[in-house]
Amino acid sequence: ETGVTQTPRHLVMGMTNKKSLKCEQHLGHNAMYWYKQSAKKPLELMFVYNFKEQTENNSVPSRFSPECPNSSHLFLHLHTLQPEDSALYLCASSQVPAQTGYEQYFGPGTRLTVT
Amino acid sequence: LAKTTQPISMDSYEGQEVNITCSHNNIATNDYITWYQQFPSQGPRFIIQGYKTKVTNEVASLFIPADRKSSTLSLPRVSLSDTAVYYCLVGDSNSGGSNYKLTFGKGTLLTVNP
Repeated sequence: ETGVTQTPRHLVMGMTNKKSLKCEQHLGHNAMYWYKQSAKKPLELMFVYNFKEQTENNSVPSRFSPECPNSSHLFLHLHTLQPEDSALYLCASSQVPAQTGYEQYFGPGTRLTVT
Repeated sequence: LAKTTQPISMDSYEGQEVNITCSHNNIATNDYITWYQQFPSQGPRFIIQGYKTKVTNEVASLFIPADRKSSTLSLPRVSLSDTAVYYCLVGDSNSGGSNYKLTFGKGTLLTVNP
């Protein structure tokens, strides 16, 4: 248990559906992140939020829309996804500015399958 | 961020000490070295972090030579449950604008056999 929870843990959706992934951190951190991990590929950073403000968007397609209403919650809204978007979506949080290096706390992930 | 190179995979047996070496030839003065562990279908978990010499915690040790161009993660007496992917990352907490950006490589798949 890392203090970062994600729901749902598994999601199957059609290409025309709209769904949302939710992340919540109970660590008092002020930065939150979305990562994507496809099969046999490194983790890819998607979005970064610092004090609720989006500070990084790594050229993510617009069919992925993040939302950070407060420092404890992060959402990833999904619409008109493609089968290649099937992956493990991980949320993480950290304290910034980091005192030393990068300690991020990851949630268990949402396994997304697009049919 | 400095690029890292580590073996794709390693095999070991229960009870052995495992050393995973990571190369980071262009590490910058302010960079720290951090290792994460990831089990299948789970998020990565922080293991250890260091700047120079040796760091030890309840899980692992991290050895960093004086030139800091490489580092070695040492796992004492591994068990089957240590089978996972281990990632080496280097980065600076003060490289303004990206001071909290993690860039993961492919990591090292450690398989511990009975």
